[in-house]
Formats: sequence, C-alpha cells, structure tokens
Amino acid sequence: EPEVTQTPSHQVTQMGQEVILRCVPISNHLYFYWYRQILGQKVEFLVSFYNNEISEKSEIFDDQFSVERPDGSNFTLKIRSTKLEDSAMYFCASRPTGPGEQFFGPGTRLTVL
Amino acid sequence: SQQGEEDPQALSIQEGENATMNCSYKTSINNLQWYRQNSGRGLVHLILIRSNEREKHSGRLRVTLDTSKKSSSLLITASRAADTASYFCATDGMDSSYKLIFGSGTRLLVRP
Repeated sequence: EPEVTQTPSHQVTQMGQEVILRCVPISNHLYFYWYRQILGQKVEFLVSFYNNEISEKSEIFDDQFSVERPDGSNFTLKIRSTKLEDSAMYFCASRPTGPGEQFFGPGTRLTVL
Repeated sequence: SQQGEEDPQALSIQEGENATMNCSYKTSINNLQWYRQNSGRGLVHLILIRSNEREKHSGRLRVTLDTSKKSSSLLITASRAADTASYFCATDGMDSSYKLIFGSGTRLLVRP
C-alpha cells in the first residue's frame, strides 16, 4: 500500500542553523501539507501546497519557513534559521483531491539546541 | 475554546470496557476525522464522517456527528490494551486548502 515517507526521522541542529525536512508524498496525490506538533500539544497546520504553489499558510509559517516541490516527487520544508521553539515533530501529509482523508508520514522529530 | 476540542483530556479504563471521547468544533465543516497517535509516533487515520452523515461504524469504532451542536463522539467498544494511545479529532473546513484543524486530543489508557 502506498505511504508517505519522511526523512530524516530525527534531526538535531544548533540554533540559527538551516534545516531541510524531506517528504515523499503518495504519487498520485495533488494536495500536500506540513503540520507540526510541539511535545504534548495538538497538531498545528503550517502550510498547504497545491498546483506548485502555497495555497494557504498559518501564522506560524513566517519568513523563516519555505516549501518546495523541486522534482515532482519530493516535498521539502526548509527552516532558514532555527530557533529553540522550532523543536517539534513535523508531519507531512498528502491527499488525492478535495476534502477527505489525509495520509500522514511518520514525522521528523526536530530538536534545536 | 479552540476548534476541535476533545474531552476528556485523559481517560483510564479497564480492558474490555468501552471508551467514549467527545469533540466539539466551531465552524462549518466538510467532514470530521479521527486519528490515533501512539506515543511520539505518527498519525493513523481511523475514520471519517461527512457533514451529511450522523453515524458511522468501522470494526470496534463508532462515530457520531451532530452538526447542530457542532460535536462528535468516538466510541471504542471492547477496548484492548493495544488501544492505549492519544486520539484526535480533526475538522476539514470549507476553505479551498482543505487543511485539517486538530483538537487537543484525549489520552486513553487501557489497563490490562
């Protein structure tokens, strides 16, 4: 069964460093998302991506964040200058079309020291 | 309270008992979904109920939706220790991005 994959599973970085989190969505899906979950808290929407552009972003998704779908298969989230408060689990998700189930990856745990 | 608030926040039951979790939300929705998360792990989709449905079953899961009260409940029957996890409701709103808005979750502990 197709699944969303994410790499790495755990990333440790120093404050101020750039990180790139990678996702491979399910191949025939059209909508792509990033969410994050700070330890012990709810899952929060960051950004949605459709038709090669951002369709919506949350207040969390400021100028330090960017997303790309560089080659038609990968979907990346870049944080330019990480802060301590960026430490969280980051989930990628995709869906085929319209409203319905989103398929989540296993997550990348980002630890900023 | 925020969109998608669950109660109770934590629930501890004995194996074999039923577990009921509730979720409330604020805005109009296309559908409401329930996800499960084992500690520190990914999100597993359990069940989706559309805004024009009132009840849905999947195995030991039963979900109800009351759009007039903007609330949903998830019932897990004959619980097992392996059901121990956090359970989140998520609403799929009417905006074009179809983003999910998650609740704060219910932590379920099923004691063997």
